[in-house]
Amino acid sequence: EVQLVESGGGLVKPGSSLKLSCVASGFTFSSYGMHWIRQAPKKGLEWIALIYYDSSNKYYADSVKGRFTISRDNSKNTLYLEMNSLRSEDTAMYYCAKWGGITSFDYWGQGVMVTVSS
Amino acid sequence: DVVMTQTPVSLPVSLGGQASISCRSSQSLVHSNGNTYLHWYLQKPGQSPQLLIYRVSNRFSGVPDRFSGSGSGTDFTLKISRVEPEDLGDYYCLQSTHFPFTFGSGTKLEIK
Repeated sequence: EVQLVESGGGLVKPGSSLKLSCVASGFTFSSYGMHWIRQAPKKGLEWIALIYYDSSNKYYADSVKGRFTISRDNSKNTLYLEMNSLRSEDTAMYYCAKWGGITSFDYWGQGVMVTVSS
Repeated sequence: DVVMTQTPVSLPVSLGGQASISCRSSQSLVHSNGNTYLHWYLQKPGQSPQLLIYRVSNRFSGVPDRFSGSGSGTDFTLKISRVEPEDLGDYYCLQSTHFPFTFGSGTKLEIK
C-alpha cells in the first residue's frame, strides 16, 4: 500500500524558515518524480514544486521560486521542502504527492499545516 | 499559465441522481506527443484529494464506473451517475500538459 506521511509543519513568524518532510513507503520511491502541492484555508489547490526521480530536474511555481527548495534523499525514501522567507500568504496545508506520469498525482499524503503569522 | 475554469461552483444533487461538472482550459491541453493530460480529483471533507480520472477518461484503480470523464482540446466533463453519499465533496480538474500544472477552482457536490 502506498503511503506518504508529511511532517514538519507549525506556526512560524513572517520571514522565518521551515523544512517539511514526506516519508514514502509501499512503492519504489527512487523511481518516481514527486511534487508538493498546497491548499490555503478554504481555498483551492496550488501546485508548487516538482523534483525528478533522480533529482536531475526541479521546477517551481513563480509564487515560491527563489524562496522554496525541493529535494529528496532516495536512501531514506524521503522528500523535503525547505521554505525560507515565509509570508502570510504561504499559510496552507502542504501535501506531497507521487507523480505517476500519465496518472498524474496518483497518491497524496494526508497533509501538514503551515501557519505564518506574527 | 493555463487557466482552468470549472462550473458550477456548487452542485446540489439528489442521492441516486446524476451530476455533471465542466472544466474549460484557456488553451488546448493536447500535448506535443498527442496525449491530453486532464485529470479529475475528489477531495472529501477533511481528507486529501484522491485521483478519480486520469488523461480525460481513464478511471483510476478502485474508482467505480459511476464516474466517467470525457472531452477534448479545451472542454472537458466529469459525470457522476447514481450519486451516493460517499461522492460528496469538492471536485477539481487538473491540467499537466503545460508548466506550471494548474487546477480548476473546484466544484462542491452537495445533497439537494
